[in-house]
Parts: sequence; C-alpha cells; structure tokens
Amino acid sequence: EVQLVESGGNLVQPGGSLRLSCAASGFTFNYWMNWVRQAPGKGLEWVADIHPDGSVKSYVDSVKGRFTISRDNAKNSLFLQMSSLRAEDTATYYCVREGRTMGAFDVWGHGTVVTVSS
Amino acid sequence: DIVMTQSPDSLAVSLGERATINCKSSQSVLYNSNNKNYLAWYQQKPGQPPKLLIYWASTRESGVPDRFSGSGSGTDFTLTISSLQAEDVAVYYCHQYYNTPSFTFGPGTKVEIK
Repeated sequence: EVQLVESGGNLVQPGGSLRLSCAASGFTFNYWMNWVRQAPGKGLEWVADIHPDGSVKSYVDSVKGRFTISRDNAKNSLFLQMSSLRAEDTATYYCVREGRTMGAFDVWGHGTVVTVSS
Repeated sequence: DIVMTQSPDSLAVSLGERATINCKSSQSVLYNSNNKNYLAWYQQKPGQPPKLLIYWASTRESGVPDRFSGSGSGTDFTLTISSLQAEDVAVYYCHQYYNTPSFTFGPGTKVEIK
C-alpha cells in the first residue's frame, strides 16, 4: 500500500524550531515531494517541494529563509526543518507526493499538527 | 502567482441531484505545447487529508466514481457531481500546477445535503 506518514508536530513557542518527518512506503521514493499546510478551518497552502535527488528545492515566500525541506532517499524519508516559527505557521502539515506523469498531488499523508503559541 | 477563485463558497444539494462547482484562474493554465490544462480537483472530508479526484482538468483519478467529472479550459473550470450521494459531503478544492513550483489552490467549496 502506498503510504505517507508524518510525525514531529507539536506545540512550540513563537521563535522556536521544529523538525517534521515523513516516512514513505509502498512505492519507489524517486518522486518530487511536497509539504502542504492547512491552518485550522482554512484552505490549503503549498509550502515547499524538492526534486527526487534533492538538488532543487522551492518554497512559498512566507517561509523562505525559515524553513528547509530535505530528504533521505536511502531511508525513504522527507523532512521539513522549521525555525523562527510564528503564530501564522500554526497548521496541519501534509506530506504530499507529486504524480510523476501528471503533476497533480496524488498521494497525501494524514498530516501532523504544528501549533505555535506561548 | 496564479490566483484561484471558486464559486459558490458553499452549496446544498438534494440527494441524487447535480452539484456544480466553478473554479477560475487569474491566468491561463493551458500549456500550449501539449494542450493540457494543469488543473486538478481534490475532495476533503472532515478530519481527512485531501484526495485527488481529477487531474488535467478532466481526467478522473483511478477509483474515483464516474459521477465526478471535470471540464473547462484556459481559465474557467467546473467540477460536476452528477448525482449527489451522502458520502460526497466534503470541501472541494481546485489546484493549479501550471506555475510550478508556485502551486496554488482555490479557497474551497463546501458541499452539503439539502
């Protein structure tokens, strides 16, 4: 079964840091991978993506310089290092696979919750 | 960035009736070299992650019931549920993947039973 399982979400104070992980299984991990977030009661926001070999990374403007996406292909894992966290980063963070032939987001994890609050 | 809008914000439809959701992009998402619209639709039920329904604006993902259909081209798109079932209660999002990596989503349309 194709599966993405996120972990690492937690309550953190403003200005703090957190590292999210995503474990992939059931497929060969050489896909573009993404993080998408959803604030409570709000819509979906793409956060970052990474090339299958890790050589190309992109970010939404609001997280540039604060978040870093990375992957460990040997361990079929995706990561999101988050620093200088703000209240507006509070959201469920989804690990998402980008379909190889059609580019849409075809596999989603169940998400991990990040709450930034004092 | 390409801005996505959806209408209506919500709609209530009787079981077995048709539900229609519209999505508009601020610029065309039609890639002329392959004549494909880089537009997808997702369904999100309460407490669940989004699920891909439609890609290339009109291609159903494997396993998606054929009561779901997508249409449109360029900047204007529609998701139609031909005969609403109780399990279709959800929020539906459109998504453009033309302007990579600046992917953007519509604000969502909530579908309920009348």
